[in-house]
Amino acid sequence: QKEVEQNSGPLSVPEGAIASLNCTYSDRGSQSFFWYRQYSGKSPELIMFIYSNGDKEDGRFTAQLNKASQYVSLLIRDSQPSDSATYLCAVNMILTGGGNKLTFGTGTQLKVEL
Amino acid sequence: DTGVSQNPRHKITKRGQNVTFRCDPISEHNRLYWYRQTLGQGPEFLTYFQNEAQLEKSRLLSDRFSAERPKGSFSTLEIQRTEQGDSAMYLCASSLTGGSGYTFGSGTRLTVV
Repeated sequence: QKEVEQNSGPLSVPEGAIASLNCTYSDRGSQSFFWYRQYSGKSPELIMFIYSNGDKEDGRFTAQLNKASQYVSLLIRDSQPSDSATYLCAVNMILTGGGNKLTFGTGTQLKVEL
Repeated sequence: DTGVSQNPRHKITKRGQNVTFRCDPISEHNRLYWYRQTLGQGPEFLTYFQNEAQLEKSRLLSDRFSAERPKGSFSTLEIQRTEQGDSAMYLCASSLTGGSGYTFGSGTRLTVV
C-alpha cells in the first residue's frame, strides 16, 4: 500500500463548478497534511495545510480532514481555467531537529473546461 | 524576500559525468530540503539541513550523491558518475523553524544522455 494515494485523473470539471480532489494516507499517526498545486514544468506551490479534523477554508479553497478515515480532500469552488494543474497531497513527518519530511502522492490532474 | 533560487535551471550531461546544483534559500530560513521529482510522480525527499548540519538523508541518496550547506546559507547537491536514472527535476525548499509547509525553488531539471 502506498503511503499517500491519489487518483491520477484527469478530473475534468466545467468552469464555475466545484472540483473535489481526494487523498488517502496509510500512517494513522500522521498529524499534518498539505496541498500543493503544480503547473506543467513548474515547481509545486503550497495552497494550504490542515492539522485538525474538519474543514479549513481559504478563499475558493477548502481542505477537509477525517483522521478516522485517513482521508484528506481539497475542494475548489468556482473553478477557473487557471486552476488546471496537478494537485499534490502530502503528509508530514517530523524529523530530527524538528524538520518536516513531506511524503507526496502522485498527484491528481485537474482540467477546468470552458 | 526573493524566494528560493536554484541554479542552473536546466542541465544536460553525459552519463558518467559529475554535476553540481546550487540552492539559495530564503535568507531567514534555517531549514533546507532537497527533493527529486520524476515525470508523473510526486516529489521524493532526499535530504534535510538545519543550519549547516545535515540531519536526515533518504536511502534514495546513494553514495554517488552528496549535499552540503557550508555556513548554513546556500546548499549544493552533487551527483557523481551520473546515470540515466538520475534524470529528474531536483527541487530545493526552505522553511523557518516551526514553519508550516515549504517554499520550493524553481528546480533544476537534469537530463542525462
